[in-house]
Amino acid sequence: EDQVTQSPEALRLQEGESSSLNCSYTVSGLRGLFWYRQDPGKGPEFLFTLYSAGEEKEKERLKATLTKKESFLHITAPKPEDSATYLCAVRLSGGSYIPTFGRGTSLIVHP
Amino acid sequence: GAVVSQHPSWVICKSGTSVKIECRSLDFQATTMFWYRQFPKQSLMLMATSNEGSKATYEQGVEKDKFLINHASLTLSTLTVTSAHPEDSSFYICSAQTSVSSYEQYFGPGTRLTVT
Repeated sequence: EDQVTQSPEALRLQEGESSSLNCSYTVSGLRGLFWYRQDPGKGPEFLFTLYSAGEEKEKERLKATLTKKESFLHITAPKPEDSATYLCAVRLSGGSYIPTFGRGTSLIVHP
Repeated sequence: GAVVSQHPSWVICKSGTSVKIECRSLDFQATTMFWYRQFPKQSLMLMATSNEGSKATYEQGVEKDKFLINHASLTLSTLTVTSAHPEDSSFYICSAQTSVSSYEQYFGPGTRLTVT
């Protein structure tokens, strides 16, 4: 069973159509949740780090929120250039500093 | 800030040869560097973790004799794919962690390896 689950696997939106991506985790003791954006053929680009439930961070049209069991990446009025795969990763307690990645959500925004 | 570079960005080699990929943190000292492999339309697969001056820790199923990792300094790690075969063709990505406390990883642009 995956410790980090992202949904949906793929999402198609029209330009301007706001939506949310989900990242849920099944283990306790979260020490950090990270969101990344990855364009085809490139390395992931760091977006946000969230540490505690209730925390929110924003960057342009993106807003990340965190609860005790999941995180949402809200995309407001997306543009075609927001098309990418969005990855989340969690770092768990217990001393490991290696984040566990989800499989990603592939977002396509049509003009 | 927090820029990571990789070289080369793509490489084609013949089966049986070795290829070295460099990963550099350009504007910070990386306490830890990670090497990932990514297949088309799949997520990142962690291959190994390396700390400067010590041996790399490989994930289960990753052949340490085939994928040699050297972390010679706080800004440079190298991955050498030895005796490459076509099944080693993949997208290899490195990342660097800025500090022990933050755990944020910054990724390089990746290296596309094709073995013919």
